[in-house]
Amino acid sequence: SQKIEQNSEALNIQEGKTATLTCNYTNYSPAYLQWYRQDPGRGPVFLLLIRENEKEKRKERLKVTFDTTLKQSLFHITASQPADSATYLCALESDSNYQLIWGAGTKLIIKP
Amino acid sequence: NAGVMQNPRHLVRRRGQEARLRCSPMKGHSHVYWYRQLPEEGLKFMVYLQKENIIDESGMPKERFSAEFPKEGPSILRIQQVVRGDSAAYFCASSRSTGAPYNEQFFGPGTRLTVL
Repeated sequence: SQKIEQNSEALNIQEGKTATLTCNYTNYSPAYLQWYRQDPGRGPVFLLLIRENEKEKRKERLKVTFDTTLKQSLFHITASQPADSATYLCALESDSNYQLIWGAGTKLIIKP
Repeated sequence: NAGVMQNPRHLVRRRGQEARLRCSPMKGHSHVYWYRQLPEEGLKFMVYLQKENIIDESGMPKERFSAEFPKEGPSILRIQQVVRGDSAAYFCASSRSTGAPYNEQFFGPGTRLTVL
């Protein structure tokens, strides 16, 4: 069955630098992959979706790449700010299309 | 446009009691999903419902757990005879459809269930 791996260790980045988070999957390549942000005590919030035929997607300071050969998506935040500190989750479609399969998330800490 | 509403935000139950969690999807959304999240873990899918129909309940335990999404009113996740292991955050999400925009889901604030 499909598994998603995100770095379980917190990522500490200096303010102003680029933060890069990794999402690896193990089985079939999904038609799309999504990234969400989750703050403590809150539900996840959708950020970006990238389709299998898209190599890269951008939204303001966010950039997502999708490499179906490596079975990997990278999530970049440029010019990072302390307000970007949160847990970032990747999710991809299951083969049933009814559900999303979720990674455990990577906690990002931006230090001023 | 109000987002996904969940209540209560916090629920404390003693072992053996029943827990009822409510979710009102975003206006115009007819698809509801329930997830469970333990600390430091990812979201675990439980059940997917449309109005008056359970579409996929493969992630929900066969016993003690049930879900409904009636024609009128919120979706309900019901846990009977709760045990300590049921303590978790339960999130509800809604989407417009599973087709487009590719199942983007909007989440509620969650209900934190504590079983004493």
